[in-house]
Amino acid sequence: AQSVTQPDIHITVSEGASLELRCNYSYGATPYLFWYVQSPGQGLQLLLKYFSGDTLVQGIKGFEAEFKRSQSSFNLRKPSVHWSDAAEYFCAVGARGGSYIPTFGRGTSLIVHP
Amino acid sequence: NAGVTQTPKFRVLKTGQSMTLLCAQDMNHEYMYWYRQDPGMGLRLIHYSVGEGTTAKGEVPDGYNVSRLKKQNFLLGLESAAPSQTSVYFCASSKALTGLETQYFGPGTRLLVL
Repeated sequence: AQSVTQPDIHITVSEGASLELRCNYSYGATPYLFWYVQSPGQGLQLLLKYFSGDTLVQGIKGFEAEFKRSQSSFNLRKPSVHWSDAAEYFCAVGARGGSYIPTFGRGTSLIVHP
Repeated sequence: NAGVTQTPKFRVLKTGQSMTLLCAQDMNHEYMYWYRQDPGMGLRLIHYSVGEGTTAKGEVPDGYNVSRLKKQNFLLGLESAAPSQTSVYFCASSKALTGLETQYFGPGTRLLVL
């Protein structure tokens, strides 16, 4: 079975600073990987996903993530954070083949200081 | 196109009371899911459905029942609410049940059990 770890519970950055949120997964093969964002009081929205090919994935709202097989990681990045990026971010991993529901990490809460 | 909607948005129950949470989707998705979200725990799958009339247990099914009488609706029932069921409940849907599929989430229902 697959699993995912988000080691940071909270991350605080200043507006305009760069951002990197960490995600590590455990799976026996190359997984499908996702990042979702949950704005306050809202449901989750897909930011981006990786399924094959280019290991650098571009998403919505200026986010990108890089799949690194050697490190079993799929870190989310943004070069310049805006106050509206303050939210909860979830990494998820899905198994290839068969019928599998993605497994979600515990989430990282992003706080943006003005 | 409303996507995934949830009713009610917020509810307070007393221990032992029952209630039903309603999820509706207008995307003609076959697959629907109920999650609960607790601080530091991320999203945990309660039950899911692979089509009209079929349901299956997820990671934390105890104390909950579900029904999928119509393709567009997925109901989550609490027969005898307990304080441990205080949580935010999210419904989601997807076109297919593979590790790759994007899930579309509703805005959530906040439930407080006293």
